Amino acid sequence: QSALTQPASVSGSPGQSITISCTGTSSDVGAYNYVSWYQQHPGKAPKLMIYEVSNRPSGVSNRFSGSKSGNTASLTISGLQAEDEADYYCSSYTTSSNFCVFGTGTKVTVL
Amino acid sequence: QVQLVESGGGVVQPGGSLRLSCAASGFTFSSYAMHWVRQAPGKGLEWVAFIRSDGSSKYYADSVKGRFTISRDDSKNTLYLQMNSLRGEDTALYYCARGRRIEAAGPDCWGQGTLVTVSS
Repeated sequence: QSALTQPASVSGSPGQSITISCTGTSSDVGAYNYVSWYQQHPGKAPKLMIYEVSNRPSGVSNRFSGSKSGNTASLTISGLQAEDEADYYCSSYTTSSNFCVFGTGTKVTVL
Repeated sequence: QVQLVESGGGVVQPGGSLRLSCAASGFTFSSYAMHWVRQAPGKGLEWVAFIRSDGSSKYYADSVKGRFTISRDDSKNTLYLQMNSLRGEDTALYYCARGRRIEAAGPDCWGQGTLVTVSS
């Protein structure tokens, strides 16, 4: 099972919006609405930011939003803030025998 | 609040074995599926294993299938990962993570991880 494909890095200035893509196949991202997004700061555990494509857990800022089209899911961060600088990973349920697959990860830099 | 505390990591020689534990608190452990996810130094997240809330289904990444076994003891609120025939590429920080109510939806809460180093 190959990892989902994400851009290695995305950057933006404070206040701007950025979008991170997560490309899979018709066996994972395209098959079900079970895409999640995680934020990971250096030395910290991942934190769930989006689940089931577009839902935010309680306590997560509404500046974070998710969507999906075909085999590609996206995470948008609006009103970029310095604290958003972190690594971001997508994950998806997969119909392969492996059950779950993560993306390659994207480093977000706030300029 | 939800707390997951991993333990059992350490340095082990190639071919050796190790058992990781994850102590859960702050939620009804027996009602939730659980995952193990690992992260090699400086690398991304890699899903390792999943166990259903009642233990009836288990899934593994191809990279660990046949070598790792996930299990749970609901009486102790503890998740385990038995790792055998360890290889250098198994060196990583191992996280346990709670599954969501819909098990296909992936993990929500994560522990802080326990480090496994496979080296001679």
